[in-house]
Amino acid sequence: GENVEQHPSTLSVQEGDSAVIKCTYSDSASNYFPWYKQELGKRPQLIIDIRSNVGEKKDQRIAVTLNKTAKHFSLHITETQPEDSAVYFCAASSGGSYIPTFGRGTSLIVHP
Amino acid sequence: DTGVSQDPRHKITKRGQNVTFRCDPISEHNRLYWYRQTLGQGPEFLTYFQNEAQLEKSRLLSDRFSAERPKGSFSTLEIQRTEQGDSAMYLCASSQATGDQPQHFGDGTRLSIL
Repeated sequence: GENVEQHPSTLSVQEGDSAVIKCTYSDSASNYFPWYKQELGKRPQLIIDIRSNVGEKKDQRIAVTLNKTAKHFSLHITETQPEDSAVYFCAASSGGSYIPTFGRGTSLIVHP
Repeated sequence: DTGVSQDPRHKITKRGQNVTFRCDPISEHNRLYWYRQTLGQGPEFLTYFQNEAQLEKSRLLSDRFSAERPKGSFSTLEIQRTEQGDSAMYLCASSQATGDQPQHFGDGTRLSIL
């Protein structure tokens, strides 16, 4: 089955800095890669996703890049704000299974 | 769109008791998923329905766990003879059924076993 590794487990930045979270996956058939943000005590919420036919996708301060050859994808947050503080999860879904495998999460702390 | 709703939000029970959780997905979503999440971990897949059909169950899912979605709308997850290790947050998610789609999560049911 699919295995998703996520790093770092904790990331501490100053407000205004950029943050990068990296994930690797094992199944070359995976073709859908969503990212979720989970604030303390709340539900995971989709913030951005990318499909395997695209190398990069951007939405305001958030961008995701995908390298299919190396089987890794990354989340980039620019101009971080304290409200970006949360746990971020990457996931990978193999074509046809529609069941995402999640990484263990990255706790992002943005200091004002 | 009222989102995915789960009931109850919290459940405290003694070891050995049975518990049942309910999930109401977004109305137009055909797919419904159950996950378990423990502290410091990502959601762990338990089972998945498309309409009323249960299409996949995790190999890690004990036979004490059973899920139903009898009319293809709401779903229930039952845990029989609960154990300490069942303590976790149980999340439900739903999505549309065309290819890979973003999942919309509920707030979860936090289960605590005494």
